[in-house]
Amino acid sequence: EVQLVESGGGLVQPGGSLRLSCAASGFTFSNYDMHWVRQAPGKGLEYVSTISANGDRTYYANSVKGRFTISRDNSKNTLYLQMGSLRPEDIAVYYCARGPFDYWGQGTLVTVSS
Amino acid sequence: DIQMTQSPSSLSASVGDRVTITCRASQSISSSLNWYQQKPGKAPKLLIYVASSLQSGVPSRFSGSGSGTDFTLTISSLQPEDFATYYCQQSYSNPRTFGQGTKLEIK
Repeated sequence: EVQLVESGGGLVQPGGSLRLSCAASGFTFSNYDMHWVRQAPGKGLEYVSTISANGDRTYYANSVKGRFTISRDNSKNTLYLQMGSLRPEDIAVYYCARGPFDYWGQGTLVTVSS
Repeated sequence: DIQMTQSPSSLSASVGDRVTITCRASQSISSSLNWYQQKPGKAPKLLIYVASSLQSGVPSRFSGSGSGTDFTLTISSLQPEDFATYYCQQSYSNPRTFGQGTKLEIK
């Protein structure tokens, strides 16, 4: 069974940093591109970032470019999102999703507040 | 970036109704269009990929059509479990932008 489990969310001060993780199981992780998508409270889905299967290519939404870094460790079947210079507008549930967006995690909530 | 525009933003319908949701891309995306269903507090669920292919396990009352810039999601006969928010997403190029969503409510 395919499973994606996010962790690492929480409360952080404006300007602070946080690293999200997404642990994958039930499929060959190294064969798939992976994505992060977020959803602010009461709002729609917003694409955040993509990393290729072997990690050599990354893509970012303009809203996070230069502040967030996506990475992966295929030996640990884990996807990461390093978030820096966090702003109140980054408050959201962050989801990881498998390449074709066919499987999603349950999400982890990031709150930015002083 | 490719902009995705859904209409309507919200829709009231009754069980058994046929419902159509439209998604328009700001440029041609061929057939690179996904549709998702999301219920409150849950992750999105993939319904349709490459515009018209039904994801495994999704009921056949859901169908998708279109190519280029204009796409539709149709639910042939609404069931109680279909009341949710629906999103389109282009998978043609990065960033993989989403539509703003269509909230389907019970009339």
